[in-house]
Amino acid sequence: NAGVTQTPKFQVLKTGQSMTLQCAQDMNHNSMYWYRQDPGMGLRLIYYSASEGTTDKGEVPNGYNVSRLNKREFSLRLESAAPSQTSVYFCASSESMTGSSYNSPLHFGNGTRLTVT
Amino acid sequence: GNSVTQMEGPVTLSEEAFLTINCTYTATGYPSLFWYVQYPGEGLQLLLKATKADDKGSNKGFEATYRKETTSFHLEKGSVQVSDSAVYFCALSDRVGGSYIPTFGRGTSLIVHP
Repeated sequence: NAGVTQTPKFQVLKTGQSMTLQCAQDMNHNSMYWYRQDPGMGLRLIYYSASEGTTDKGEVPNGYNVSRLNKREFSLRLESAAPSQTSVYFCASSESMTGSSYNSPLHFGNGTRLTVT
Repeated sequence: GNSVTQMEGPVTLSEEAFLTINCTYTATGYPSLFWYVQYPGEGLQLLLKATKADDKGSNKGFEATYRKETTSFHLEKGSVQVSDSAVYFCALSDRVGGSYIPTFGRGTSLIVHP
């Protein structure tokens, strides 16, 4: 049972470089999310995808873009990395954000630790 | 907007002590409530949930009761173990527009000493 798989686990970037964080889930979930976790700030939602073909901004979307490639995959792109984007990034999925499954819990990957110098 | 407030940590206890981690919430609708646990180097995993007022969620000796009148969902355990050392997150899911958006508290670190 892989669940939610994130790659890479660790990454170091220089300011201005770009990269894409990959996420895939094998639970046939409709909804997927990207969060960042910073000390003392908890988890903050960057972007989410309620269903395949849709994406929406969360609380802290600036500096990021996302792609819902298909039902399984949801990637997060940093076009021009900044030191303020140093963080641990978590991808998550849930059965659905809408309809009768709205209270289904989130399933998380193990995170990507990103450092921008 | 929606928000979740948790007691600040770290909470430091001796093994077999009683645990309470306070959580209160603000929501515009009628949210579902969750507790998640994060062990070092891992992602969050669901600990328990409650979907309506007076529901009690329970798992692995942990309990929390959905109190609508006090907008609270406090986490309790009667006797903690060293293996319970982790960060605990309270969360809610409430309707924002057409979707139910999850909102997390800042997390409370629990350290249990032998």
